[in-house]
Amino acid sequence: QQQVKQSPQSLIVQKGGIPIINCAYENTAFDYFPWYQQFPGKGPALLIAIRPDVSEKKEGRFTISFNKSAKQFSLHIMDSQPGDSATYFCAASSPDSWGKLQFGAGTQVVVTP
Amino acid sequence: DSGVTQTPKHLITATGQRVTLRCSPRSGDLSVYWYQQSLDQGLQFLIQYYNGEERAKGNILERFSAQQFPDLHSELNLSSLELGDSALYFCASSHRGRGDYGYTFGSGTRLTVV
Repeated sequence: QQQVKQSPQSLIVQKGGIPIINCAYENTAFDYFPWYQQFPGKGPALLIAIRPDVSEKKEGRFTISFNKSAKQFSLHIMDSQPGDSATYFCAASSPDSWGKLQFGAGTQVVVTP
Repeated sequence: DSGVTQTPKHLITATGQRVTLRCSPRSGDLSVYWYQQSLDQGLQFLIQYYNGEERAKGNILERFSAQQFPDLHSELNLSSLELGDSALYFCASSHRGRGDYGYTFGSGTRLTVV
């Protein structure tokens, strides 16, 4: 059972566009929501993370929007570049989970030149 | 280089065999997490060790086992291998027992069972 549901499965945008990836969760005990970026042949790398007491967080061209009441959060990639082409995973963990992250299924993003 | 070292990078073995995957965490990190990544299952949590002790267990098969040694490196043992065990196996580490400061993943071991 997928505790974190991620959509879309894949998306293609032109350079400069804003790909948006959405995630939804059910477990209200989750209190940490990171996003990971994975390039082919590499391990996932932490991109940005948010806690439920914040509705938005920006780091460079990456922004997380968080809607606690809807139990949804999303990643926006501003001014996307071909180098942003990768698979993106959302995840969540709860305080009692000893750090175990529940990952979404992943979104393959392709940014065309 | 993330600081988490996994060996070997690639492994091809036959069904029924046993293999050992090795992980050296980032310097100073006490927690090691093992994940399996397959095309149809995404990233699945297997098991976590903190300073030598098992702390959390996920969907790890009975044919799989792991341990963390006093020098904090960890090994994942996979036995009686089946074709369906073919996947990428990732190790990640974090300093504390909680992962809420972000894991650091290794580059993974690609296991192919033939």
